[in-house]
Amino acid sequence: DQQVKQNSPSLSVQEGRISILNCDYTNSMFDYFLWYKKYPAEGPTFLISISSIKDKNEDGRFTVFLNKSAKHLSLHIVPSQPGDSAVYFCAASRRTSGSRLTFGEGTQLTVNP
Amino acid sequence: DTGVSQDPRHKITKRGQNVTFRCDPISEHNRLYWYRQTLGQGPEFLTYFQNEAQLEKSRLLSDRFSAERPKGSFSTLEIQRTEQGDSAMYLCASSLEGLGNTEAFFGQGTRLTVV
Repeated sequence: DQQVKQNSPSLSVQEGRISILNCDYTNSMFDYFLWYKKYPAEGPTFLISISSIKDKNEDGRFTVFLNKSAKHLSLHIVPSQPGDSAVYFCAASRRTSGSRLTFGEGTQLTVNP
Repeated sequence: DTGVSQDPRHKITKRGQNVTFRCDPISEHNRLYWYRQTLGQGPEFLTYFQNEAQLEKSRLLSDRFSAERPKGSFSTLEIQRTEQGDSAMYLCASSLEGLGNTEAFFGQGTRLTVV
């Protein structure tokens, strides 16, 4: 039962262009969504989050969009930089359940110079 | 405080042996989580503590797995009678309840290989 899905295992973009990573979820009880970035041999690093009461949250080059009716969120990175190359995980939680996170499978982003 | 610390970083063990991992969370964080990650997958929740109380365990956590968090500080995860299917990255994370945001901060993980 994969409640959070990232359907694109990989994405390749040119430096300076926009990267768009997508995530779908099935559990309508999720009310908090997060994106993590992971480099090889390191643990996931928190990137940005959004509450279900919002539809957009922006932090520098990173913007997360939430479409509750479609149960879909996306992460936009603009402009993309080579240092952004990493695996990106989408995660969701229910604040009433101790904030345990349910992760997607991840998307490998490669930003080419 | 430099973040969540896990020890060891790597562990190779023979099938049937017991292993124990340690996690030191960010000092002021009251919640501590254990996750497991296998190749090509996202982290999967195993269990979590609020202070010293273990509040939830995933069905993934078989009876060979036990976790403790004495005194609400560091935590240990023990796997008894290891099996090859236990080979994975074991991640620890911590968070602070009540800030309004609930992002968890992860350690670098312990990679377990069962041979």
